Amino acid sequence: AQKVTQAQTEISVVEKEDVTLDCVYETRDTTYYLFWYKQPPSGELVFLIRRNSFDEQNEISGRYSWNFQKSTSSFNFTITASQVVDSAVYFCALGDSNYQLIWGAGTKLIIKP
Amino acid sequence: EAGVTQSPTHLIKTRGQQATLRCSPISGHTSVYWYQQALGLGLQFLLWYDEGEERNRGNFPPRFSGRQFPNYSSELNVNALELEDSALYLCASVLATSYTDTQYFGPGTRLTVL
Repeated sequence: AQKVTQAQTEISVVEKEDVTLDCVYETRDTTYYLFWYKQPPSGELVFLIRRNSFDEQNEISGRYSWNFQKSTSSFNFTITASQVVDSAVYFCALGDSNYQLIWGAGTKLIIKP
Repeated sequence: EAGVTQSPTHLIKTRGQQATLRCSPISGHTSVYWYQQALGLGLQFLLWYDEGEERNRGNFPPRFSGRQFPNYSSELNVNALELEDSALYLCASVLATSYTDTQYFGPGTRLTVL
């Protein structure tokens, strides 16, 4: 079955702390894509990253980094030196061969000043 | 380049009425997806349109329908509104018909049913 699990419903940290959001997926496809989106309080989903199953290199973009491990079917997202503006709901999603995105339930991240 | 646009931003209706939501994809994108996000919940897939055709629909009753126009913009219609239809409706556009392509989202329409 195709499935994405974000076990952390809500995470609260103090500003400047590092925080990791977990994403575990299940798929029958040998080729697949994984995504992370950010949903701030305004509601619009903002695309953060797309990763294909052939590329297990970790990626860093500023304070954001992603750790993709096929062996554990995980695609975790780390924010370094968190800021209040990082407060949002973060969704992990799996690109399905039926042209659908399988969404995780989301992790609400609260960054306290 | 303009992003995905949706209108209206907010919509208030009463139970039993019909609602029409609109979405304009990014220029050059031919596929449009619609999602429903009830308050505090995740995204539920509603409909997928590509090249003017409905390609797939989620587990929603037939009173949720839509269409895609020749310019690839799309409309979502919800008939016989129920209180539980109150939600944020998000539209996403995709460059091409490939499950590997990134979906880019609009700001959403908040529908409130009284």
